[in-house]
Amino acid sequence: ILNVEQSPQSLHVQEGDSTNFTCSFPSSNFYALHWYRWETAKSPEALFVMTLNGDEKKKGRISATLNTKEGYSYLYIKGSQPEDSATYLCASWNYGGSQGNLIFGKGTKLSVKP
Amino acid sequence: DSGVTQTPKHLITATGQRVTLRCSPRSGDLSVYWYQQSLDQGLQFLIQYYNGEERAKGNILERFSAQQFPDLHSELNLSSLELGDSALYFCASSSGGAISGNTIYFGEGSWLTVV
Repeated sequence: ILNVEQSPQSLHVQEGDSTNFTCSFPSSNFYALHWYRWETAKSPEALFVMTLNGDEKKKGRISATLNTKEGYSYLYIKGSQPEDSATYLCASWNYGGSQGNLIFGKGTKLSVKP
Repeated sequence: DSGVTQTPKHLITATGQRVTLRCSPRSGDLSVYWYQQSLDQGLQFLIQYYNGEERAKGNILERFSAQQFPDLHSELNLSSLELGDSALYFCASSSGGAISGNTIYFGEGSWLTVV
């Protein structure tokens, strides 16, 4: 069974704080790691797709790194704002059995207080 | 707006019934994925279609089936519904096939409540 684990489960920070959370995924037969931002009552919004070991991507104040050898990815938010409050999901695409699929972690719920 | 359209947005039905959830992928996307989000569970992959053919299968119950039509829209059929089937069902689409680095775009989901 391929598991994707995210930590922490939830996080409360003050506006202006920088924060980061972790996604652990199976390193064997790895193909791609996806990060999503999910606000309540909306569809998950794609942030990054990363495939190469050492890859680092940035989108505004949000950045992500990837270590495929040890099976983890970090998502960083610099200077958190209340509008960053959401659940951040990561998903790993591994080849399992005869077919592959995108396996999601349970997410890290971020709350940013003004 | 991701460009992925799902209908209906909300649905309430009784146990034992059958429902059909519909998904229109983003223009040009060939792959359609179905996911189930239940309470306290992460997004559970159900099934993927690519250009009309089943490409990957996850934890989809035998009571559930899906298909992708020539115009690339997809339907998820849920039959003999049980209380535990109450969940948010997401459809997603991407341009690529199975294993890829393509971005996968999600619809807003269909809320199914079984009473």
